[in-house]
Amino acid sequence: GNSVTQMEGPVTLSEEAFLTINCTYTATGYPSLFWYVQYPGEGLQLLLKATKADDKGSNKGFEATYRKETTSFHLEKGSVQVSDSAVYFCALSEPPNYTGANSKLTFGKGITLSVRP
Amino acid sequence: DVKVTQSSRYLVKRTGEKVFLECVQDMDHENMFWYRQDPGLGLRLIYFSYDVKMKEKGDIPEGYSVSREKKERFSLILESASTNQTSMYLCASRPRSYNEQFFGPGTRLTVL
Repeated sequence: GNSVTQMEGPVTLSEEAFLTINCTYTATGYPSLFWYVQYPGEGLQLLLKATKADDKGSNKGFEATYRKETTSFHLEKGSVQVSDSAVYFCALSEPPNYTGANSKLTFGKGITLSVRP
Repeated sequence: DVKVTQSSRYLVKRTGEKVFLECVQDMDHENMFWYRQDPGLGLRLIYFSYDVKMKEKGDIPEGYSVSREKKERFSLILESASTNQTSMYLCASRPRSYNEQFFGPGTRLTVL
């Protein structure tokens, strides 16, 4: 079955530090890959996504590249801010079929990022 | 903007009570999902539905049931709440041919 593995947390960084959060996956076929973010007290929001190999997703200064050869989708940001403090989830989904019955997301366990001023 | 709303942000119930968690989406999405979120375990899928009156078990359906009588509404039911069902419950929806899911704000349920 499909699975997603995220690096262990939590992670604490100083403002303006470089961020890398590792994510690797196991899947059959050609899944789409996602990073979701959960700010304190809120639900999950899509941060970025990539739907095929070598695609780069980007949003709010975050980037991740779909690497099929290493089955990875690592999240990076060049300079983190206090407002980036949140829980980050890596996830994958198979391409939807007609009914959408295969539309499940498989999530990693999430990692808590704390950025101190 | 897609909006997914959940009936309560916080809920406290007693062991043995029947609990209803409601989720409504306003974008005519075919697919809807219920997850629970626990520290160290991430999100786990309880049930999902890909059409009205259709439901599929997720990874941890035991102790839960669901109802989808209308396209916009997906209810999670705890027939007899237990303390191990204390958790954050997240609802999500997505259109049939698009694989991004849109999440509600969550309901933090405490069972005493």
